[in-house]
This record gives sequence, structure tokens and C-alpha cells, in this order.
Amino acid sequence: QVTLKESGPGILQPSQTLSLTCSFSGFSLSTSGICVSWIRQPSGKGLEWLATICWEDSKGYNPSLKNRLTISKDTSNNQAFLKITSVDTADTAIYYCALNYGGRWGQGVMVTVSS
Amino acid sequence: DVVLTQTPPTLSATIGQSVSISCRSSQSLLDSDGDTYLNWLLQRPGQSPQLLIYSVSNLESGVPNRFSGSGSETDFTLKISGVEAEDLGVYYCMQATHAPLTFGSGTKLEIK
Repeated sequence: QVTLKESGPGILQPSQTLSLTCSFSGFSLSTSGICVSWIRQPSGKGLEWLATICWEDSKGYNPSLKNRLTISKDTSNNQAFLKITSVDTADTAIYYCALNYGGRWGQGVMVTVSS
Repeated sequence: DVVLTQTPPTLSATIGQSVSISCRSSQSLLDSDGDTYLNWLLQRPGQSPQLLIYSVSNLESGVPNRFSGSGSETDFTLKISGVEAEDLGVYYCMQATHAPLTFGSGTKLEIK
């Protein structure tokens, strides 16, 4: 059974770096064709794709967030990570990780940026 | 970026009614590999999205067959044949043919 679960700091201050972890089971990020994506959703709003990392370590980023994103993985521990630098209030959202490009989603983690 | 335009933004249906949601793309979603990476998701209230349909018309495992998808190139449709109470929520189309991945703005289905 495929499951994903996100974890994060909950709340952080503007200009800080947001670090998110996606812990998953039921698949391996070393298997050919497998990717993990990060997507976010501000409260009451739509979905925004952030980044994807695949089994062979290829990475894709949403250019709208310029150079603020870094995605990485720990295959042996079944985890994927996302860092967002220089956060501000506009980064307040629920952050989801998902298998491939939305095949199975985690429950999401709420992140609030506030001074 | 590819813009996905969903209509209608809201939909009100009675139990058993059949409804359709449209998703139109600003450019063709036919990939060079011959596949069309247009998916449909449902986000029930207070829950994370779930995949219903992938690659235009393929039903995700465990999804009831009252859901169906059709379309090609730039014009796609999700149909629910006989709405049930559990179908309420927001439906999103999303494309993975062109980077960056993009989502439609959503269609909220309400049950009368």
C-alpha cells in the first residue's frame, strides 16, 4: 500500500528557510520510473506545483519560484525533501508530496509564515 | 506556462444526475511520446486531492466507473454518470505534458 506523509516546522518567520520532509512507503525512489512531487495549496485556493525529483536524480522546478527551491532524496530511508529559502507570508500554505505527478497524495502539512 | 480553463466554476447536482466538467488547455497536451498527460483529481472537503483519471481516460484503481474522461489535444471532459453524495468536492484538471505542471482553477460540485 502506497502512503506518503509530510512533515515540517509548522510556523516560521519571514526570510527563514523552510525545510519539508516527505516520508513514504509502498514504493522506492530507486525504482525506474518513480518520482516524487511537491505541490502546495494556500488556504481556500488552488494547487501549485513546486518541484519533482525522479529515481535517476533528475529534478524539475517551477520557474515562478526562481532559485528558491531545492529538492533532494534519501533513497535508503524512503524520504524526499524540499527546501524553500527566503520565505514570506505568500508561502503560507498546505504543502503536499505526491507519488509521480499526483498519483497518490500525502495528507499535507500546514506551514504558516508569520512575524 | 500552459493555462487550463475549467468550466463551470461551480456545479449543483441532484443525486443520480449526470454532470460534465470541461477543461480547455492553452496548447496541445499531446506529448512527443504519443501520450496525453491530462489528469483529473477530486479534493473532498478537508482532504488531500486524489487521482481519478490519468492520461485523459484511464480510471485510477479503486475509482468507481461512474467517472469517465474523454478528449484530446486541448479539449477535455470529465463526466460523472449518476452523481452520489460522496462526489461532492472540488475537481481539478492538471497537465504533466509541459513543464511546469499546471492545474485548472477547479470546479466545485455541490449536492442539491
